[in-house]
Amino acid sequence: AQSVSQHNHHVILSEAASLELGCNYSYGGTVNLFWYVQYPGQHLQLLLKYFSGDPLVKGIKGFEAEFIKSKFSFNLRKPSVQWSDTAEYFCAVNARPGGGNKLTFGTGTQLKVEL
Amino acid sequence: EAGVAQSPRYKIIEKRQSVAFWCNPISGHATLYWYQQILGQGPKLLIQFQNNGVVDDSQLPKDRFSAERLKGVDSTLKIQPAKLEDSAVYLCASSLGGDSSEAFFGQGTRLTVV
Repeated sequence: AQSVSQHNHHVILSEAASLELGCNYSYGGTVNLFWYVQYPGQHLQLLLKYFSGDPLVKGIKGFEAEFIKSKFSFNLRKPSVQWSDTAEYFCAVNARPGGGNKLTFGTGTQLKVEL
Repeated sequence: EAGVAQSPRYKIIEKRQSVAFWCNPISGHATLYWYQQILGQGPKLLIQFQNNGVVDDSQLPKDRFSAERLKGVDSTLKIQPAKLEDSAVYLCASSLGGDSSEAFFGQGTRLTVV
């Protein structure tokens, strides 16, 4: 079975600072990788996803993530955060083939961006 | 496009009572999931349906939890009897199906068991 580790549980940044959130997964086979975001009072939304191809993927709102297969990592980055990026961020993985898009989530990282 | 609808948004019950949650997925989505999110943790899959059949319920505590999707569209998740540790947000998600389709989540039902 797969597992996901997110090392930063709480992150506080000032506006315009750069962001990197760590995500490592444990699974011996092929995976799809996702970052979801949950803004206060809202539902989980997909930020970006990696299925195959270019390991550097770009998502919405200026976020990007890089898949490093040798490190089993899929870290999320943003060059300059905004106050509106305050949210909880979840890394998730599903195994393929046959994973059926069942997601295994990390514990989440609570990001607070201060003005 | 309408999203995944869930009700109720909040529910408070006493332990040993029963409770039911309802989910209506995005139209045309064959796959439906129920996740449990305990405070401070990521969502954990409880059950996955493909149309009206169960694909995976390996993490569903079947002595107290049950779920159905009789007509392959909306779904209900029931807990009977509830325990204090069932306090969590219950998330419903849906997708077109297949390994590479995106899952869309509802806003969830926050259950508090007292």
